[in-house]
Amino acid sequence: EPEVTQTPSHQVTQMGQEVILRCVPISNHLYFYWYRQILGQKVEFLVSFYNNEISEKSEIFDDQFSVERPDGSNFTLKIRSTKLEDSAMYFCASSEGQETYEQYFGPGTRLTVT
Amino acid sequence: RKEVEQDPGPFNVPEGATVAFNCTYSNSASQSFFWYRQDCRKEPKLLMSVYSSGNEDGRFTAQLNRASQYISLLIRDSKLSDSATYLCVVPGNTGFQKLVFGTGTRLLVSP
Repeated sequence: EPEVTQTPSHQVTQMGQEVILRCVPISNHLYFYWYRQILGQKVEFLVSFYNNEISEKSEIFDDQFSVERPDGSNFTLKIRSTKLEDSAMYFCASSEGQETYEQYFGPGTRLTVT
Repeated sequence: RKEVEQDPGPFNVPEGATVAFNCTYSNSASQSFFWYRQDCRKEPKLLMSVYSSGNEDGRFTAQLNRASQYISLLIRDSKLSDSATYLCVVPGNTGFQKLVFGTGTRLLVSP
């Protein structure tokens, strides 16, 4: 069964450093997403991406964040200058198309900012 | 009303029991609803989609009440492996496929 994959599984970084989280969505999916979950809190939407551009972003997704699909398979989330409060689990998700809201999530990257 | 609201639980039930969770949502225009399951420190996994009045898959039944704006999830014959957090999820109201998650209801099934 196709699945979303993410690397690394755990990333530790110092405050102010840049991090790039990587995702490989399901191959025939067209819509890609990033969500985050701070420990003990609910899953929160960050950004959606379609046709090589951002289709929606949340208030959390400020200028420190960016997304990219550098090739035909990878989808990345970059945080330019990490803050302590960026520590969270980051989930990538993908869905098949506009009419299908069902999103499938990757196993997540645990980001720890020290 | 919050976008999605759930009772956090925990619901403690013995194996074999039937348990039901409710979830209320605020966007009356929502056409699709989802239940995801999340194990501790793992990703949300899609359990059921609800596009009309309800859906059934084995021991799991989801029902939708549009008039009252709530969705329920019923689990029959609970197994130990059903212990998890169940997330009620609805699309955002912007039409771009953003999903809005509830805080989740924790279920603990004991022997």
